[in-house]
Amino acid sequence: EDQVTQSPEALRLQEGESSSLNCSYTVSGLRGLFWYRQDPGKGPEFLFTLYSAGEEKEKERLKATLTKKESFLHITAPKPEDSATYLCAASNYGQNFVFGPGTRLSVLP
Amino acid sequence: NAGVTQTPKFRILKIGQSMTLQCAQDMNHNYMYWYRQDPGMGLKLIYYSVGAGITDKGEVPNGYNVSRSTTEDFPLRLELAAPSQTSVYFCASGGQNSNQPQHFGDGTRLSIL
Repeated sequence: EDQVTQSPEALRLQEGESSSLNCSYTVSGLRGLFWYRQDPGKGPEFLFTLYSAGEEKEKERLKATLTKKESFLHITAPKPEDSATYLCAASNYGQNFVFGPGTRLSVLP
Repeated sequence: NAGVTQTPKFRILKIGQSMTLQCAQDMNHNYMYWYRQDPGMGLKLIYYSVGAGITDKGEVPNGYNVSRSTTEDFPLRLELAAPSQTSVYFCASGGQNSNQPQHFGDGTRLSIL
């Protein structure tokens, strides 16, 4: 069964304290690994797509990486406005997206 | 630049009532999806569509129905609402194939009492 897990469940950082979020997946025939940001009361907002192991994508303070079993979202020198829930999802050749439960990130000033 | 629009934003239903959640997209995407999100859980796929006239079940389809008569619209129908259907419902659309990122609406918060 295709599955996506994320850790930690919640993370509290001080402003400027870099860290990483983990997304582990077991998906038969991975087509893409997606990262989203979700603010309270809003729908998920697309951040990155990674298609193959070794690929990296960057956007401002965020960098996403992909291996054959995991993806990491690295947050460098975070700011309070980076506080949100970060979701990852894996798509397979069966038209399905499987979402993880998310990591709730709080960045304190 | 509307993207994906969901209506209503909030709704309270009584057990046994029915309703339709509306979803419209203006990006000419073939793929559209309905998810539910419960606290502490990931998004669960209810139904999806790969184009007008074509729909298929996702992981949790029981108690729901969909139709796709146009590229733009993908309504979700709840028949005989049950407390277990209390959730936040998200509609998404996503490009020309399942390898494209999905773009989400802001959700409908539904309570069944």
